[in-house]
Amino acid sequence: GENVGLHLPTLSVQEGDNSIINCAYSNSASDYFIWYKQESGKGPQFIIDIRSNMDKRQGQRVTVLLNKTVKHLSLQIAATQPGDSAVYFCAESLRSYKLIFGSGTRLLVRP
Amino acid sequence: NAGVTQTPKFQVLKTGQSMTLQCAQDMNHEYMSWYRQDPGMGLRLIHYSVGAGITDQGEVPNGYNVSRSTTEDFPLRLLSAAPSQTSVYFCASSPSLSETQYFGPGTRLLVL
Repeated sequence: GENVGLHLPTLSVQEGDNSIINCAYSNSASDYFIWYKQESGKGPQFIIDIRSNMDKRQGQRVTVLLNKTVKHLSLQIAATQPGDSAVYFCAESLRSYKLIFGSGTRLLVRP
Repeated sequence: NAGVTQTPKFQVLKTGQSMTLQCAQDMNHEYMSWYRQDPGMGLRLIHYSVGAGITDQGEVPNGYNVSRSTTEDFPLRLLSAAPSQTSVYFCASSPSLSETQYFGPGTRLLVL
């Protein structure tokens, strides 16, 4: 079945450094991918998305890279700040409303 | 806009009790969904709706019912609560198929 997983359950970075959070997906036909940020006690918050016809998309301090050859998705956060500390989820979908979420990576930012 | 709102924020139930989790959105989104999130895990889709009067099952629909009588509201009903339904429940909406979903703040449910 469809599966979205993450390589690193916890990532600790120094404030000011760049962060890279990785995600593997199993359904090569998935055509839409999203990264969400979830702070403690809150609902997931949209960060950035990318469609399968793109390899890279940039937002404010964030970049998502999609490698369809190896079914890999990554989220890069530039100049990581304490406010970036949260759990990050990737999600995939195939021309449908059904998002399949990964299990999440916790990002800890050291001052 | 208030976005996606959920009530209650927290609820304690006894096994066998029933209740309804409320979800409303004021963004005129056609698509709404319910997820549950268990500790240390991602979200799993319970039910979703592509428009008023239309609902469908997600990954984990057993024990839950939904209805969509209006565009704004998408309540989730637990018919007979079980301890396995202890979780945090999130409602989400989006303007169209395969577009960004906006999540509510969640309802924490404890079933004793």
